[in-house]
Amino acid sequence: DAGVTQSPTHLIKTRGQQVTLRCSPKSGHDTVSWYQQALGQGPQFIFQYYEEEERQRGNFPDRFSGHQFPNYSSELNVNALLLGDSALYLCASSLVARHGSPLHFGNGTRLTVT
Amino acid sequence: TQLLEQSPQFLSIQEGENLTVYCNSSSVFSSLQWYRQEPGEGPVLLVTVVTGGEVKKLKRLTFQFGDARKDSSLHITAAQPGDTGLYLCAGALGTASKLTFGTGTRLQVTL
Repeated sequence: DAGVTQSPTHLIKTRGQQVTLRCSPKSGHDTVSWYQQALGQGPQFIFQYYEEEERQRGNFPDRFSGHQFPNYSSELNVNALLLGDSALYLCASSLVARHGSPLHFGNGTRLTVT
Repeated sequence: TQLLEQSPQFLSIQEGENLTVYCNSSSVFSSLQWYRQEPGEGPVLLVTVVTGGEVKKLKRLTFQFGDARKDSSLHITAAQPGDTGLYLCAGALGTASKLTFGTGTRLQVTL
């Protein structure tokens, strides 16, 4: 039973560029959440997708956008990259968007912006 | 301002010692979860607590949710090198399903 898979594992981009990160949820899960984890800090919630719609959003600018596909996989897009966007981006899946649902995390995509 | 503050930030102890990690907030959480994260990997869920005053035990790990559901603690008995990692508490507010993570406690257990 495959867990949450993310691609790519590492990525280096230049300021101003755009990036797309991908996530396949754990089998049987229907909800995908994205988190940003800066070095030495806890993950910060970006947004959550359920039934192909953005259901909740954290305190991130519109440069951060996403999408969920009919097979529940998801993408995170970041436009006009800034140096401060360098972080580990984590995807987490769960079953049904309700409070307290355990999250299953992927191993993340390490994004470096130079 | 961080909604969930964890203490201590760093902890380096020897195998066999006991330790406690604290997670504090001024907000009331409907549920609280603890995760452990190892280098190069995503966080892995350890436990979920939902009732004020609730205590859960997972082998050598004991988790407690405060009576007012604003704080939590994680106690490890007889720590082992395999316990090394970043410990994160995460709370859910109201009916929202998103989790707010704490600042993290990095634990290192040496032989």
